[in-house]
Amino acid sequence: DAGITQSPRYKITETGRQVTLMCHQTWSHSYMFWYRQDLGHGLRLIYYSAAADITDKGEVPDGYVVSRSKTENFPLTLESATRSQTSVYFCASSEGGVYYEQYFGPGTRLTVT
Amino acid sequence: AQTVTQSQPEMSVQEAETVTLSCTYDTSESDYYLFWYKQPPSRQMILVIRQEAYKQQNATENRFSVNFQKAAKSFSLKISDSQLGDAAMYFCAYRSPPGGSQGNLIFGKGTKLSVKP
Repeated sequence: DAGITQSPRYKITETGRQVTLMCHQTWSHSYMFWYRQDLGHGLRLIYYSAAADITDKGEVPDGYVVSRSKTENFPLTLESATRSQTSVYFCASSEGGVYYEQYFGPGTRLTVT
Repeated sequence: AQTVTQSQPEMSVQEAETVTLSCTYDTSESDYYLFWYKQPPSRQMILVIRQEAYKQQNATENRFSVNFQKAAKSFSLKISDSQLGDAAMYFCAYRSPPGGSQGNLIFGKGTKLSVKP
């Protein structure tokens, strides 16, 4: 199906483990983003990518790693998960240029125990 | 750095009535974009309406309209004829034009809207 998808939708992991959240979009949008949503903070940008092999930090990048070898995929890795990384994670994409709307995935609820 | 403030953590409206959600922002840029997103219990982020800063005319999408006051840096959302399906979290967001290190959305903390039957 066309659109932007995230997997898994729910994940429980233990402190110290590595976790990778997947994001895939079928529109060939140049821009992709990772946000985390926490109560009382709204959504905050973790990392973003303007194109394949181009990534940059957002507001809260510590503890996260991203890569973008293909335009359509933008995985987010927590190298050593901590309880403070318990959150809902949203991936988004945007065509850029004159099209400024960001389209969001359904989110991944991550719990770190 | 740009900031977005939503001063109303929660709002309530009677079905079929009108409600206005407030949003203010701080920026030194003259060219930018503003958005309202809706997040129902499903968690899906849904774009409600957008406004380009260079346009003086307020954006309208069916029952949703904005009051954009550029000098006051205010961007409120008006929902007319409220429906039960409008109950959700509403987020105001700011975005600079893409390019360089800009282009990402900066969100307010959200306003939870309840609709009473």
